This record gives sequence, C-alpha cells and structure tokens, in this order.
Amino acid sequence: EPEVTQTPSHQVTQMGQEVILRCVPISNHLYFYWYRQILGQKVEFLVSFYNNEISEKSEIFDDQFSVERPDGSNFTLKIRSTKLEDSAMYFCASSEALLAGTYNEQFFGPGTRLTVL
Amino acid sequence: SQKIEQNSEALNIQEGKTATLTCNYTNYSPAYLQWYRQDPGRGPVFLLLIRENEKEKRKERLKVTFDTTLKQSLFHITASQPADSATYLCALDMYGGGSYIPTFGRGTSLIVHP
Repeated sequence: EPEVTQTPSHQVTQMGQEVILRCVPISNHLYFYWYRQILGQKVEFLVSFYNNEISEKSEIFDDQFSVERPDGSNFTLKIRSTKLEDSAMYFCASSEALLAGTYNEQFFGPGTRLTVL
Repeated sequence: SQKIEQNSEALNIQEGKTATLTCNYTNYSPAYLQWYRQDPGRGPVFLLLIRENEKEKRKERLKVTFDTTLKQSLFHITASQPADSATYLCALDMYGGGSYIPTFGRGTSLIVHP
C-alpha cells in the first residue's frame, strides 16, 4: 500500500542552524501539507502546497519557514534559523486533488523528530 | 478562533465494551469533522469523516455522530479490543479558500484492558 515517507526520522541541530526536513508524498497525490506536534501538545497545521505554490499557511509558518518541491517526488520543509521552541515532531501529509471545494483525505507520514539544542 | 475540547483524561475500558469519546467545539460548525487514531511516535491515521449535514457515519466497529446544535461529535468503538488502545484525535476542517485546514483537538487516550 502506498505511503508517505519522511527523512530523517530524528534530526538534532544547534540553535541558529538551518534544517531541511524531507518528505516523499504518495505518488499520485497533488496536495501536500506540513504539520508539527510539540511533545504532549496537539497537531498544528503549518502549510499546504498545491500546484507548486503555497495554498494556505498558519500563523506559525513565518519567514523562517519555507517549503519546496524540488523535483517530482520530494517535498521539503526548511527552517532557516532554528530556535529551541522549534523542537517538535514534524509530519508531512498528502492528499489527492479532487473537485475544488471537496474534502480530500490526508495521509500522514511517520514524522521527523526535530530536537534543537 | 475555533476551540476544540476533548477529554484529557484517559478512558479505560474493558475489552468487549463500547468506548465512547467526545469532541466539543465552541464556534461555527465545520464543513467536515474527522476522527484520527495516533499511536505513540507515529503520525495520525484517518478513520472517519462526517459532513455538517450528516448525523451519523459508520465503518465496521466505528461510529461517529455529529450534532451541530450541541456542537459535539461522539466517536464510538464497539466490541473494543486491546489493539484499539491509542490516542484518538478529533479534527475540524474549515475551508480556507484554497483547501481545507484541519484544526486538531489534543486527543483522548483510550486504554482497552484485556
């Protein structure tokens, strides 16, 4: 069964460093998403991406964050200058693009645990 | 902004019983309400979706109800099994103009004892 994959599973970085989290969405999916979950907290939406541009973004997704689809399979989240409070589990998700305005089930990856020291 | 309330206390039940989890929200009703399962250290897994004009949805041992007057959804697992032990997340989807943006609750932990 097709699934969303994410690498690395765990990333440790120093405060102020840049990190890139990678995701390979399900191959025929066209909508991509990033979420984060701080330990013990709820899953929070960061950004959605469709047709090579950001579709929606939350208040969390500020200028230190960026997303990119560098090729036909990868979808990346870059955090430019990490802060301690960026430590969290980051989940990628993807969904099919159906009719506009209809719901598309999202399939989540296993997550990348980011630890900022 | 939308506030979602799920019982923060774990629900402990005996195998074979029906588990009922509650999701309450405070503001306007969402277009869609979803339930997910999340195991420790894993991503959420979609279980069921119910639309604002639907009262009830079933899938195998799962049942979801949606009462827009009470602003509440109930999630039932019948004939529960220890393998059903996990955290169950409620998520409300609001249309952001480009796509649906889910707002998640903090989840309720279910523990099914053999």
